[in-house]
Amino acid sequence: SAVISQKPSRDICQRGTSLTIQCQVDSQVTMMFWYRQQPGQSLTLIATANQGSEATYESGFVIDKFPISRPNLTFSTLTVSNMSPEDSSIYLCSVETGYTQGYGYTFGSGTRLTVV
Amino acid sequence: SQKIEQNSEALNIQEGKTATLTCNYTNYSPAYLQWYRQDPGRGPVFLLLIRENEKEKRKERLKVTFDTTLKQSLFHITASQPADSATYLCALDRTPTNDYKLSFGAGTTVTVRA
Repeated sequence: SAVISQKPSRDICQRGTSLTIQCQVDSQVTMMFWYRQQPGQSLTLIATANQGSEATYESGFVIDKFPISRPNLTFSTLTVSNMSPEDSSIYLCSVETGYTQGYGYTFGSGTRLTVV
Repeated sequence: SQKIEQNSEALNIQEGKTATLTCNYTNYSPAYLQWYRQDPGRGPVFLLLIRENEKEKRKERLKVTFDTTLKQSLFHITASQPADSATYLCALDRTPTNDYKLSFGAGTTVTVRA
């Protein structure tokens, strides 16, 4: 299965600023997924990032707030823009690693963001 | 879209016993249903995947069943150990068209007492 390096692992940011989270995969993957996990909650999909095309966002998430880059098949970034305390969450990237062959998805270790 | 319900937020069991977790969904039966383990401060780790045409899947001390009539999956941890203490998440396809997007349940936190 793939190995994902996600950074930073945590950060404390001032409201109104932006934070860019990076995910590096050790193999080429078509789709990368970005999730948010609010305190005590489960994972919510933010967007899907395919190389060479614009990211597709889920209901409730917009590009101006969460711009995503996908410059190649092993790397993606998610930016949390103009942050407010409500953005305090864990942000995770994920890739599909042979879903139909029974291998599930691989997740990064997450970025714990606290906005003050 | 799917609504996923996992039984009780927390499950406390004695070491050596079997933990049984439930995942119920409301709409269409997914082509695949997955179970993940998440430890505090970490990303989810894939455990098992079961297909809609499979009734049961096993991996070491883990067993998953899938009943499309009941719209339910059961996840069993047999001979539980304190190291099994974690939150377990059920995940399945968001849409019938298998667009590779997942919906997750809220999770069940298992604590195994020595």
